[in-house]
Amino acid sequence: QSALTQPASVSGSPGQSITISCTGTSSDVGSYNYVSWYQQHPGKAPKLMIYEVSNRPSGVSNRFSGSKSGNTASLTISGLQAEDEAYYYCSSYTSSSSVVFGGGTKLTVL
Amino acid sequence: EVQLVESGGGLVQPGGSLRLSCAASGFTFSSYWMHWVRQAPGKGLVWVSRINTDGSSTTYADSVKGRFTISRDNAKNTLYLQMDSLRAEDTAVYYCARYRSGTYHDYWGQGTLVTVSS
Repeated sequence: QSALTQPASVSGSPGQSITISCTGTSSDVGSYNYVSWYQQHPGKAPKLMIYEVSNRPSGVSNRFSGSKSGNTASLTISGLQAEDEAYYYCSSYTSSSSVVFGGGTKLTVL
Repeated sequence: EVQLVESGGGLVQPGGSLRLSCAASGFTFSSYWMHWVRQAPGKGLVWVSRINTDGSSTTYADSVKGRFTISRDNAKNTLYLQMDSLRAEDTAVYYCARYRSGTYHDYWGQGTLVTVSS
């Protein structure tokens, strides 16, 4: 199972919006609405930010939103804040009953 | 409060074995599928294995199939990962994670570092 494809890095200024893409195949992202997104600060455990494409867990800011079109899912962060600077990973359920993660995207808040 | 605490990591020689544990608390452990996910130094997250609620069904990534065994003891609220025939490329922080609704990992442990080196 190949990793989902994410850009290595994205950046934005405080207050701006950014979008991180996550491209898979018809065997994972394209076939299931089971895409989730995780935030990871250096040295810390991942934290769930979005599940089932566009749902936010309790306690996660509404500045975070998710969507999907075909084989590509996206995470959008609006009103960028300094504390949003972190790595972001997408994940999807797969047709082989496993899970696949993206390679990760480093978000830099300028 | 949901808590997952991994232990058992350390330095092991290539070809050696190690057993990781993940102690769960704050929720009904026996009701949830559980997963192991690893992260090599400076690299991204990689899914390793999963186990269903009663331990009767397991799935592995191709990279560890035949070498790693996931198991659980619901009476002890503990998840395990037996790792045999370890290779340098298995060096990583290993996280246990609760799997919710068959679709996402909602809680993660702090991770335990496994280093495979001579």
